[in-house]
Formats: sequence, structure tokens, C-alpha cells
Amino acid sequence: EAGVTQSPTHLIKTRGQQATLRCSPISGHTSVYWYQQALGLGLQFLLWYDEGEERNRGNFPPRFSGRQFPNYSSELNVNALELEDSALYLCASSSRTGPSSYEQYFGPGTRLTVT
Amino acid sequence: AQKVTQAQTEISVVEKEDVTLDCVYETRDTTYYLFWYKQPPSGELVFLIRRNSFDEQNEISGRYSWNFQKSTSSFNFTITASQVVDSAVYFCALSGLNAGNNRKLIWGLGTSLAVNP
Repeated sequence: EAGVTQSPTHLIKTRGQQATLRCSPISGHTSVYWYQQALGLGLQFLLWYDEGEERNRGNFPPRFSGRQFPNYSSELNVNALELEDSALYLCASSSRTGPSSYEQYFGPGTRLTVT
Repeated sequence: AQKVTQAQTEISVVEKEDVTLDCVYETRDTTYYLFWYKQPPSGELVFLIRRNSFDEQNEISGRYSWNFQKSTSSFNFTITASQVVDSAVYFCALSGLNAGNNRKLIWGLGTSLAVNP
């Protein structure tokens, strides 16, 4: 069974540009989560999508946004990039119901570098 | 506010030693889940365990064991007879079940474990 996949692996952008990151969940999973892993700040929750709706959001500005498509894949968009947005962005997925729906399985991440 | 503290930043042991990674958490949610994840040098986070707040039974899986003590808000992880392949960063995480906290994993800063041959 394929795991969570993310693309691209690396992304280099300049300040002020927009970045789009993509994630495909494990087959059968309907929830997708996004996290930022920045040096010195650890892992921070960004967004949770389920059934195409945003269900929960972390303490990030509105320029961090995303969406979930009917096939449950997801996109994270970061507008007006700032240098401090440089980080590893991790996507995770989980099943929809039951206690195991709290178990999040992670992809390999997208390394975003803002210059 | 929810918080997870992993006081040990780095631990270095020699192969076959036992090692315990500490995790202390804070939450006002009455029901919550606790987790441990492993991040090897390759970078991909690997799920290890989920524990419900109402289940304080210790769990053992091979060389891994977990000790959950609600009275001290701790969820410690022990690796018995460590191996070089155990070298990784280990993260403890918390997810409350109240509305605003639901599915939001709150992470400790991780403990970097180096197992030397």
C-alpha cells in the first residue's frame, strides 16, 4: 500500500512569490493535515481538511491556505512568501472514523527555501 | 493551552544499553491522545504508538515500551537493548479532543538519540 506522497521534494522561491505544495493521502484516508517543521520551532500544526472542508487551523496568518479535492488530495498555498517560511512542510493523512482516525501518517515532506 | 515538553535534547548511548526518553504534557482537555513518532535521518516521520488518556496500561512492543502516568502527566518511552538503527529523533505529541484542539497534534521539540556501535 502506497504511503502519503508529496510534491515537489524541494522548492526554491524568492520573497513575495507564491508556493504551492501538493499531497496525496494513503488510499482510503479522507483526512489530510499540514504541518510546518522549521529549525528551532519544531513541528507546528497548520491545517486539517476532511471531506473537502477545513476542520481546524493552527496559528498561522491567512496567507497560508489550502484546499482538499474530491479525490482527497490536498494543496497548501503560501502567498507573499517571507524568509521565515523556509521550512520542511509535512503532510499527513488519517482514516475518517474511530480511534485510529487520530493516527496521522506522514509523507516525506517538501523542503521550501525562500531566498 | 496545550504543551509537550521533552527535556532531553540529545542522548548518546552505546549499543545494547537501555534508554528512556521522557515526555511531559499539559492539557485541560479531559480526554486526549498521546503519541510517539520516530524521525530517522531520512526525514520521514514514522508513527510508533497512540495512547488514550483513559487507558493507563503500559504497552510493550518488542524492544519498545511505553509508561503512561496520568498523575505526573508523563508518557515515557523506553528502548531496551538499543541498536544503531534506533538512532533518530523521537517526538512525543498530544491531541486534545475538545473542539478547538481536535486532530491538532501538539509536538515536543524532540529528543535526538544516537546509538553508537
